[in-house]
Amino acid sequence: DAGVTQSPTHLIKTRGQQVTLRCSPISGHKSVSWYQQVLGQGPQFIFQYYEKEERGRGNFPDRFSARQFPNYSSELNVNALLLGDSALYLCASSFRDFGSGNTIYFGEGSWLTVV
Amino acid sequence: LAKTTQPVSMDSYEGQEVNITCSHNNIATNDYITWYQQFPSQGPRFIIQGYKTKVTNEVASLFIPADRKSSTLSLPRVSLSDTAVYYCLVGDGTGNTGKLIFGQGTTLQVKP
Repeated sequence: DAGVTQSPTHLIKTRGQQVTLRCSPISGHKSVSWYQQVLGQGPQFIFQYYEKEERGRGNFPDRFSARQFPNYSSELNVNALLLGDSALYLCASSFRDFGSGNTIYFGEGSWLTVV
Repeated sequence: LAKTTQPVSMDSYEGQEVNITCSHNNIATNDYITWYQQFPSQGPRFIIQGYKTKVTNEVASLFIPADRKSSTLSLPRVSLSDTAVYYCLVGDGTGNTGKLIFGQGTTLQVKP
């Protein structure tokens, strides 16, 4: 079975531009979360979606937005890109939105470089 | 929010058993403890998850004492390919495990 898949794997954008990152969860998983990982640090939570509804939001500016589609895939959008947005963006999926023992699986990430 | 504390780095040699201890003094009653492994430029890979006592799978064991304020990840007979960053995580305390709080992790260096 396929794991969490993300696209694109690498991309370069210019300051001020907008970017859309895509994620397909593991088959049967209804929850998708997004994380940002800056070089040398642990991943930081951005959003969680479950059944197309936002269930959680991390401490990120409104330039970051996301949505989940009926097939449970998800997109992360970042507007007005800043140099500091350069990072590895990780998508993670799980079967439930929360609950004890709900295992979360990560994709390989999308590397975003802002120049 | 439950936070975790791990050693920043550890060194080991091939064939040795490695134990990485994580402190989580404020763990909530309904929180599970999860460990992930991450190689450079890759997403974190799930290793093991547990609630209490001992859990074992094909790659690792997880030891959790009765008070659950700490946990120990045990990697038997490590190889060079086990060189990676290891993260210990607990939920955010509300039972919503969609939000994982990552610390700095433990960088394990396995030497030949």
